[in-house]
Parts: sequence; structure tokens; C-alpha cells
Amino acid sequence: GAVVSQHPSWVICKSGTSVKIECRSLDFQATTMFWYRQFPKQSLMLMATSNEGSKATYEQGVEKDKFLINHASLTLSTLTVTSAHPEDSSFYICSARDHLATTGELFFGEGSRLTVL
Amino acid sequence: GNSVTQMEGPVTLSEEAFLTINCTYTATGYPSLFWYVQYPGEGLQLLLKATKADDKGSNKGFEATYRKETTSFHLEKGSVQVSDSAVYFCALNQGGKLIFGQGTELSVKP
Repeated sequence: GAVVSQHPSWVICKSGTSVKIECRSLDFQATTMFWYRQFPKQSLMLMATSNEGSKATYEQGVEKDKFLINHASLTLSTLTVTSAHPEDSSFYICSARDHLATTGELFFGEGSRLTVL
Repeated sequence: GNSVTQMEGPVTLSEEAFLTINCTYTATGYPSLFWYVQYPGEGLQLLLKATKADDKGSNKGFEATYRKETTSFHLEKGSVQVSDSAVYFCALNQGGKLIFGQGTELSVKP
């Protein structure tokens, strides 16, 4: 099946620094990728839709200046958490849709666990 | 708007027991429906899907039938194993985005 890879799988940073998380579709092209945030024992919250070659679309309540998304190619989207604070600590998951698929199936990365000290 | 509601967990079963995790949805039209599974410390994996009414999705002994009349997509397995312990998410496709239920944690004891 289609593979989506995230890097890093876990990261620890100091408060005030910025952290970049990469999401790659390894064997298919994805014009659209999605970034989710998951709190412990809770469901996934959609943060934004990443569109190749254009600006991301953010969900209500998500700060676009805080969570910078770049989708520069058909196989790579990045999420940068700027000036991270402890409340940004979370599990971030990306997903990608094969642009040839018609059922809306998404393929998910392994997730990236961010801990801000 | 569209939404997905799952039964609350955690669900604790003994090995070889029958499993049902209820999922109901609210949507305009007939969206594709999915079950995803998340094993501890991992991302989500697609378990099964159904794209239209009365379709039955199945995989690894799990089944779910798209019921239009009851707007449901309940997940079932006849005999669970310890390795099935995970969190299960029901989801629907809304304009290309996936809307998830809150997840149901399953714990299977030997």
C-alpha cells in the first residue's frame, strides 16, 4: 500500500525554539496533505489542509503564524511549530491523499511526538 | 455539519470474545466511511472502508457494513486477539477531509 513517512518521529526542544516536521509520500504523489494534532486519549483534530504550490487552509482556531505549513512539492509537506511552548507538546500526524484515488482514502504517517520543555 | 459518534471506551474483552464497536454518523449525501486503527505509539492505519450503502468492508477478520437506514457503520470481529488491542477510529469523508469519531480504546486480555 501507499506509504507516508514523517520525520522526526519524536523531538524534544526548548521553549521559544522552532521545530520542523516533515511529511513525505514515498510511492505516490499527493497534491493535498493534511496535518492533525492528537492529544492523549483523544481523537485527531484537523489543523490544516496543505495544498501543493499554494497556501495552506487552516481550520478555525488554528494559528497560521504559529503553525507554518509549506507544501513545495508533490511528495513533501512541512509543518513548522514556531516559538514553541509547552502547550504545543502533542502528537502531530500527517496524512496524504493519492490524487489518483476516488474514495477519499488517506494514508497516514507514523506521527511525530513533540515535547517542549 | 457532518459528524461521527462512537461508543465510549475503554472496551475490555477476553481473548476470543466477540467485538462490536458502534459508530453512527450524520452527513449530507452518502460519504465514504472508514475504520482506522492506531496501535500504541503509532500512526493510524486504514482497517477497512465502504464507499456506498450496503457495502461491507472487511480486513483481518474485522467487518463493518454501511447502513444507510440507520446511518451506522459498526465494527465487528468474531474472535478478538490480544494483538487487536488498540484504539479504533470511525471516520467519514467530507469533501476530501476525514472527520473522525472520538476513538474507542480496545483492550484484549489473554
